[in-house]
Amino acid sequence: AQSVTQLGSHVSVSEGALVLLRCNYSSSVPPYLFWYVQYPNQGLQLLLKYTSAATLVKGINGFEAEFKKSETSFHLTKPSAHMSDAAEYFCAVSTGSNYKLTFGKGTLLTVNP
Amino acid sequence: DAGVIQSPRHEVTEMGQEVTLRCKPISGHNSLFWYRQTMMRGLELLIYFNNNVPIDDSGMPEDRFSAKMPNASFSTLKIQPSEPRDSAVYFCASSGQGVGYTFGSGTRLTVV
Repeated sequence: AQSVTQLGSHVSVSEGALVLLRCNYSSSVPPYLFWYVQYPNQGLQLLLKYTSAATLVKGINGFEAEFKKSETSFHLTKPSAHMSDAAEYFCAVSTGSNYKLTFGKGTLLTVNP
Repeated sequence: DAGVIQSPRHEVTEMGQEVTLRCKPISGHNSLFWYRQTMMRGLELLIYFNNNVPIDDSGMPEDRFSAKMPNASFSTLKIQPSEPRDSAVYFCASSGQGVGYTFGSGTRLTVV
């Protein structure tokens, strides 16, 4: 069984501030982990993925995430928030590319000017 | 690469009518997934296929829902009869060995 918990359904930051979105996972086997972003009325766009290679993963738009097995975490960070980062962010886990992807509930990021 | 293509983008139908959602996965991807997104329940996996074979349909809400994948390039999700509580955004995604999951733009279904 696999599951994802995203801590905080809503995070608000100022433009230029650090963005930290938290994700903890549960998996009975080594996981594949993903972050997706969804802008209003749009589909899901892949930000980054961890598939058992380097534990620090860099993605698009300046985002990165670190896989910490001991903490079962895969938090998403960005050093400096931009207004265009305002969106909903989803963490997801699977046990392989051809297996189901289980999503967290999502975190809505608001960026204040 | 055109990505995962879903049709229609929007569908408004009356309660009791049959609704068919369509998905064309990325060529070469051998897994296809149908998800439903609502405010209350978030993103739920309905069913997924590997090599056109249904692997896990435990997320299909009830017998009113059915999904098929007759070949590697096409899948349908059918709701018959539709009910207002089926109103949601339905996403199709595909993946292949060693590659990530790519999502379509979704079909926004409204049942009145």
